[in-house]
Amino acid sequence: AQSVTQPDIHITVSEGASLELRCNYSYGATPYLFWYVQSPGQGLQLLLKYFSGDTLVQGIKGFEAEFKRSQSSFNLRKPSVHWSDAAEYFCAVGRMYSGGGADGLTFGKGTHLIIQP
Amino acid sequence: NAGVTQTPKFQVLKTGQSMTLQCAQDMNHNSMYWYRQDPGMGLRLIYYSASEGTTDKGEVPNGYNVSRLNKREFSLRLESAAPSQTSVYFCATTPLGNEKLFFGSGTQLSVL
Repeated sequence: AQSVTQPDIHITVSEGASLELRCNYSYGATPYLFWYVQSPGQGLQLLLKYFSGDTLVQGIKGFEAEFKRSQSSFNLRKPSVHWSDAAEYFCAVGRMYSGGGADGLTFGKGTHLIIQP
Repeated sequence: NAGVTQTPKFQVLKTGQSMTLQCAQDMNHNSMYWYRQDPGMGLRLIYYSASEGTTDKGEVPNGYNVSRLNKREFSLRLESAAPSQTSVYFCATTPLGNEKLFFGSGTQLSVL
């Protein structure tokens, strides 16, 4: 069965500092990988996704993530955080699926990002 | 174009009561999902419907039933609500395969 581990439950970063959120996955084949962000009281918004090709993927809001197969990792980074980046971040993995149907994504438990002024 | 619409947004139930959460999408997507979100647990898949006419159990299906009424609608039913079902419920859709999920705004359910 596939699984996702986000080792950090909370991370505190100063505004303007760099950020790295960790994600490790367990999956038997090449997965689809995603990072979602959830602001308080809101639904989930996709930041970026990796399907294949270039292992460094760019997303919205200045985020990027790097897929490292050898480490089973898909860490999220941002060079300089803004106070508006304070939110809950979820890494997710899914099975590559052809034929139109899909069995859903498996989410990590999330990392709560706190931004200090 | 509303995307994914969930109703109701908030609901309070007493233990043993039943209710149905509704989800409708106007994106013509094949696959629909119900997730629950609990503090410190992330999102867990309850049931999904890969295509119209099919439904399958996810990670935490006990205590729930679903109906894929047509391509647009996917409902989640709690037959006899329990306090352990207090959660935020999200409906989501995807067009093909396990691509980007489009989420509804959620239903906050409290079972007393």
